[in-house]
Amino acid sequence: EAEVAQSPRYKITEKSQAVAFWCDPISGHATLYWYRQILGQGPELLVQFQDESVVDDSQLPKDRFSAERLKGVDSTLKIQPAELGDSAMYLCASSLPREASYEQYFGPGTRLTVT
Amino acid sequence: GENVEQHPSTLSVQEGDSAVIKCTYSDSASNYFPWYKQELGKRPQLIIDIRSNVGEKKDQRIAVTLNKTAKHFSLHITETQPEDSAVYFCAATSPSGGSYIPTFGRGTSLIVHP
Repeated sequence: EAEVAQSPRYKITEKSQAVAFWCDPISGHATLYWYRQILGQGPELLVQFQDESVVDDSQLPKDRFSAERLKGVDSTLKIQPAELGDSAMYLCASSLPREASYEQYFGPGTRLTVT
Repeated sequence: GENVEQHPSTLSVQEGDSAVIKCTYSDSASNYFPWYKQELGKRPQLIIDIRSNVGEKKDQRIAVTLNKTAKHFSLHITETQPEDSAVYFCAATSPSGGSYIPTFGRGTSLIVHP
């Protein structure tokens, strides 16, 4: 069964450093989501792509976070500079085009620790 | 934007009992309401969903009900088993600019005691 891939699975970085996460959605899934999940809370949507276009990034801290999906397939989320408060699980998810299904398939996540 | 409230934050039941988790949402345009189960250290997985044109949906021991007027929806698990222990998240998906934006609740930690 196809799954969403993410790397790295774990990342430890010092504050003020740059960090990048990668996500490869299920083949054919046009919609891609990046979430931040703080321990004990629900996933918070950071950015949503439809193909290569951003459809929502209202919760993305744009002074330090950036996301891209240049060819409408895989995606990269970057933080520069990282802050202590960025420590969290970063989840990527994908779904089929909206006319077919809204179900999201999540990747295993990247656990970020900022020291 | 959409705001989703989920209650309770923790729910402890005995094996065989029923469990009910409730969510409210604010955007009347929201039209899709999924429930995800996240076991410790694992990714969230969809367990059941409901669309705004349906009032109830059942899948074996799991059911979801939706009250559009009151803007709330609930997850019902009957005959709970220890393997149901996990964190459950509700979400409401609202249309925005030609796409659909999901907003998640804060989660309910369900503990089923053998």
